[in-house]
This record gives sequence, structure tokens and C-alpha cells, in this order.
Amino acid sequence: EAQVTQNPRYLITVTGKKLTVTCSQNMNHEYMSWYRQDPGLGLRQIYYSMNVEVTDKGDVPEGYKVSRKEKRNFPLILESPSPNQTSLYFCASSDRLAGGAYEQYFGPGTRLTVT
Amino acid sequence: LAKTTQPISMDSYEGQEVNITCSHNNIATNDYITWYQQFPSQGPRFIIQGYKTKVTNEVASLFIPADRKSSTLSLPRVSLSDTAVYYCLVGSYNQGGKLIFGQGTELSVKP
Repeated sequence: EAQVTQNPRYLITVTGKKLTVTCSQNMNHEYMSWYRQDPGLGLRQIYYSMNVEVTDKGDVPEGYKVSRKEKRNFPLILESPSPNQTSLYFCASSDRLAGGAYEQYFGPGTRLTVT
Repeated sequence: LAKTTQPISMDSYEGQEVNITCSHNNIATNDYITWYQQFPSQGPRFIIQGYKTKVTNEVASLFIPADRKSSTLSLPRVSLSDTAVYYCLVGSYNQGGKLIFGQGTELSVKP
């Protein structure tokens, strides 16, 4: 089954304790992206990757890091989490469709609480 | 990057047709228009995508006028299970990987 998986699904942590949210896709997609979703603010892109070893900032990259060492994995790293990073996080992947269109597949989400 | 504008919310009744319009005045030549559906605490789900004119699939239709500065998602005969947030997204690989979702339209379907 084609899917994007994220782990953990729920995480409560404390300020400053480094954490990693993993994202994996089994569709051999080139493009992967991380979003955060907050009430009233919709989906905001954090980082994206056009292919292995190619990453770039989205709209809200401050406080986050990513890496793309393999095509299937795109972990999101919070080196020193702060309470304003409490949010619902989604990972997505997409193939390059004919003409250059995106058709993103989203993971189930990771609800992060930083106290 | 093309910015999108949608109504914040819409109400409808079961069995009605619902049309949600998205404005994207600065759409680029290579950009595609994609609509996603999101239920609470779930990831968005692809509904339909188009470049111009009309596209139809088993769940929706997408109408795009010739100037491509707007698009309309049409949901025929909605049911309670269509209650969700609908997002319009404009972009393409040729414009880079940065994608900006709009605020979305919260559709409420009543019995």
C-alpha cells in the first residue's frame, strides 16, 4: 500500500530536549515536504526536498532542521524545542507528474507538545 | 509564488451542489491548481487537479477560466461526510518546491 508514515504520532516533551520526527514514504517520490498546522493559520511549509541531498527552506524554517540522505526518508529535527513549536506536523511526498504538477500524499500527522 | 484566497467558511445542506472558488491572481504559466480535502486531525487528501478548462473525476469537478486567475471546485450532491476543510494550492515543479497553502474553506454540510 502506498503511504507516508510518521513517527511518533504523539509526543510531549520539554523545552530544549532535542527530538526527531521521522517520515518515510514507499512510493519512490523525489519530492518531500514538512508542514506545521496551527489553529487559524492553516498549513505552513517548514522545509522541502526536491531530491536526495537537496533541501530548502519553506515559509517557517526557524528552529527546525532536515536531512535527505535517502530518497524514502525525510526526518524533521528540532535541536532545542520551544513551546511555540507546539503544533500538528505533517510530512508529504509527491512524484513529478507530467507537466510538472504536484500530487502530494500526506502522512497521518504528529501532534507535538513542548512544555 | 502564487497566493490563493478562498472563503473562510461555507454552509450547505445534504444533496446540494457546492461550489468553492479560489482566487489566484498571480498564477504562473507553468502552475497547476490542486485541491485537497482535510478532516480534523488527519492529513490533507488530494481531490482533483487541473491546468485549464474543466476536469472531472469521481468525486468532484474543477472549473478553470481561460485567464486562470481563479478556479472553482464543484462537489455534486454533498453528504454529511463531505464536511471538511478544502484547500486550493497553486504550484509546479518548474516553479520550485516552495508551496503555500491558503487558509482553506471550512465546509459544513447540514442534514
